[in-house]
Amino acid sequence: SQQGEEDPQALSIQEGENATMNCSYKTSINNLQWYRQNSGRGLVHLILIRSNEREKHSGRLRVTLDTSKKSSSLLITASRAADTASYFCATDDTGGFKTIFGAGTRLFVKA
Amino acid sequence: DAGVIQSPRHEVTEMGQEVTLRCKPISGHNSLFWYRQTMMRGLELLIYFNNNVPIDDSGMPEDRFSAKMPNASFSTLKIQPSEPRDSAVYFCASRGTSGGGNGYTFGSGTRLTVV
Repeated sequence: SQQGEEDPQALSIQEGENATMNCSYKTSINNLQWYRQNSGRGLVHLILIRSNEREKHSGRLRVTLDTSKKSSSLLITASRAADTASYFCATDDTGGFKTIFGAGTRLFVKA
Repeated sequence: DAGVIQSPRHEVTEMGQEVTLRCKPISGHNSLFWYRQTMMRGLELLIYFNNNVPIDDSGMPEDRFSAKMPNASFSTLKIQPSEPRDSAVYFCASRGTSGGGNGYTFGSGTRLTVV
């Protein structure tokens, strides 16, 4: 089964609200990454959190990682219409080479 | 840095024709990956290279698919013969340290339509 399952599959919020997306995975990992994909474009790397880290911030993004629960969350604060995109989590297995992407969460931010 | 460059951006071809997708990774990145994305199957890893050597091609769907990386600055993904079910967006991505603390840099993708 697929590593890196995002939840929810789709999320619609008003501009200014916070958006929270979750990711669960199944095996031991070296790190977990979050990506954004705008329609018709490639994925853009947002943030990487290592397995020994619990929380990481980048601008309006906050990522948490709970290795005991094999889960991560991505929080986007004060969302903007430009944040409308699909968001993917991806995990590097402990072997180091292979990265598995989840199915993504589609976020729609209404202006 | 121009990023990962893929060509063509769009390709429409007839069933049975050969299709070649091209990728130029970021200079200095030693790992290169080919992914395919469809609505039904999401993002699938097809093959990846480390230092120009194919490491894992278990994601390549059939013998019709082949990939090469003759040097550190160029890779191709070839489909011969192409079929309508190959229609998808194909992404190339490179990475600075395989399995290390860096994320992927993706190209803009090639949208392939096989009619």
